[in-house]
Amino acid sequence: GAVVSQHPSWVICKSGTSVKIECRSLDFQATTMFWYRQFPKQSLMLMATSNEGSKATYEQGVEKDKFLINHASLTLSTLTVTSAHPEDSSFYICSARGQGRDGYTFGSGTRLTVV
Amino acid sequence: AQSVTQPDIHITVSEGASLELRCNYSYGATPYLFWYVQSPGQGLQLLLKYFSGDTLVQGIKGFEAEFKRSQSSFNLRKPSVHWSDAAEYFCAVGSRGSARQLTFGSGTQLTVLP
Repeated sequence: GAVVSQHPSWVICKSGTSVKIECRSLDFQATTMFWYRQFPKQSLMLMATSNEGSKATYEQGVEKDKFLINHASLTLSTLTVTSAHPEDSSFYICSARGQGRDGYTFGSGTRLTVV
Repeated sequence: AQSVTQPDIHITVSEGASLELRCNYSYGATPYLFWYVQSPGQGLQLLLKYFSGDTLVQGIKGFEAEFKRSQSSFNLRKPSVHWSDAAEYFCAVGSRGSARQLTFGSGTQLTVLP
């Protein structure tokens, strides 16, 4: 079945530093990647949608300069949280969809803690 | 805009009892509908999905869901709950447009009593 690998699973960083989260589709080509943010005991909120080779489309209220998304290949998308602050602490989850596929495969998530 | 409502924030059932988790959606056409399960600190696992055809959908782990267009609902059911089913359950609606974004409900936390 379709597998999406997300790394790291957890990361602690100092305020002001940047953190990169990777999302890889292991056995299919992910034409579209989605990045979500989830606060404790809350639902998933879509941050942005990216298509391979194109700029990401950000949801309203999401700072594109803070959350840099790169989808340079059909198997890899990255989310970089720049100049992280404690309020950026959250659970980030990626999801991938391949061309011609109607399903969405989720990564296992990344717990980001900014101290 | 599409939206999903899960009216029950928290449900508690005894092991072996039946389960129904409610989901109502808002979408202008026939939607793609999904149920996902999430264990603490984990990603989402797909339980089942509805795209078209038979409105009663069978999923993994003994779950099923029924699409009722007249009620805009897609309730998840299981005849006999196991302790390992304790988790957070999310209903989601996917658009049929080019982006096909998923919109999630707020989730239902399931507790299973021994």
